[in-house]
Amino acid sequence: AQSVTQLDSQVPVFEEAPVELRCNYSSSVSVYLFWYVQYPNQGLQLLLKYLSGSTLVKGINGFEAEFNKSQTSFHLRKPSVHISDTAEYFCAVSAGKTPNAGNNRKLIWGLGTSLAVNP
Amino acid sequence: KAGVTQTPRYLIKTRGQQVTLSCSPISGHRSVSWYQQTPGQGLQFLFEYFSETQRNKGNFPGRFSGRQFSNSRSEMNVSTLELGDSALYLCASSLPGGPVTEAFFGQGTRLTVV
Repeated sequence: AQSVTQLDSQVPVFEEAPVELRCNYSSSVSVYLFWYVQYPNQGLQLLLKYLSGSTLVKGINGFEAEFNKSQTSFHLRKPSVHISDTAEYFCAVSAGKTPNAGNNRKLIWGLGTSLAVNP
Repeated sequence: KAGVTQTPRYLIKTRGQQVTLSCSPISGHRSVSWYQQTPGQGLQFLFEYFSETQRNKGNFPGRFSGRQFSNSRSEMNVSTLELGDSALYLCASSLPGGPVTEAFFGQGTRLTVV
């Protein structure tokens, strides 16, 4: 069974500083990995995704993430954060197509990391 | 293009009652998934519907049910509400096909059970 661990529940950071939000996963099959952002009282918005190919994935709002298969990690980074980046960030994994059930489109989520950007 | 629309946005119910939440997916999206979000448990998958058929189901009791209509709109129902059902219920729609594609989320329905 897949699982996702977001190693930090809260990350405080000053504006214009770099940030890394950590995500580790466990799965016995090939995975697809996602980072979503949730602003207060909003739904979730996709930041970036890894399906295959280059392990460095660039997303919206200047975020990027690196898929590391040997360390089963998919950490999210931004070189310089803004106040507007204050939000909850979720890492998710999907095992993709399964042999017997067709497409498995269920996403398994981490518990989230609350990023607080201070002036 | 309109996004995913969930109604109502907020709901207060009493223990023992039942509730129905609605989700209208993005036009052309035929897959609709439901998630429960709570501070302690995070996001948990409830079920996914595609072409009016339940394709995947999470580990929730039978009090949680759903359905999808021919126009891809979906409803989820929770019967005999419990205090622990208080949560943000999120609906996501996506295009069919492929192993997995981007899920577009609605703003959610905040259910409070008192």
